[in-house]
Amino acid sequence: QKEVEQNSGPLSVPEGAIASLNCTYSDRGSQSFFWYRQYSGKSPELIMSIYSNGDKEDGRFTAQLNKASQYVSLLIRDSQPSDSATYLCAVTSNSGYALNFGKGTSLLVTP
Amino acid sequence: ETGVTQTPRHLVMGMTNKKSLKCEQHLGHNAMYWYKQSAKKPLELMFVYNFKEQTENNSVPSRFSPECPNSSHLFLHLHTLQPEDSALYLCASSQGAQGAKEKLFFGSGTQLSVL
Repeated sequence: QKEVEQNSGPLSVPEGAIASLNCTYSDRGSQSFFWYRQYSGKSPELIMSIYSNGDKEDGRFTAQLNKASQYVSLLIRDSQPSDSATYLCAVTSNSGYALNFGKGTSLLVTP
Repeated sequence: ETGVTQTPRHLVMGMTNKKSLKCEQHLGHNAMYWYKQSAKKPLELMFVYNFKEQTENNSVPSRFSPECPNSSHLFLHLHTLQPEDSALYLCASSQGAQGAKEKLFFGSGTQLSVL
């Protein structure tokens, strides 16, 4: 069973701070990595994808990938209360046609 | 809102009932997926259809039966379910050519309760 591990949280950060979300995965063959955001009662939506080692920035979001350590992270700068949600880490399966998700980290940004 | 619509939004059924979940995507995608989301568990992939062909069946019990008549429609037929099957069932679609490298667009889900 290929696993994707996340700390369930909740992770609480004050408004304006940097939120750091972490994820580890077990399948060394995984090639594609994603972060989905899921608001309570809503469906997941993709916010970041990363395919190669290093950092990828998109607005206030930065994804970081280290394949040697099998580690992927998401940084949210200048956190806003509207960022409060569950963040799901997803990693491609061996088949390449499916994603394996972590349980998600609950983020709470307090005003 | 996402181009993927699921019906019904909520479903309560007994263990002897037969029901079907429906998913329709209006995005011109070629791949469709069923995921199960239970409390305190990761999203679990159930089935993948790419160009109407099933490309993945993630060891799902036979009481769940998928059907994909065309690239825009996906069904999940349910029969003799167990209470532990109660969960949120999410349909998703993607362009299809690159498999899981692509962005998934999720529907709003069907919240299923099995009594």
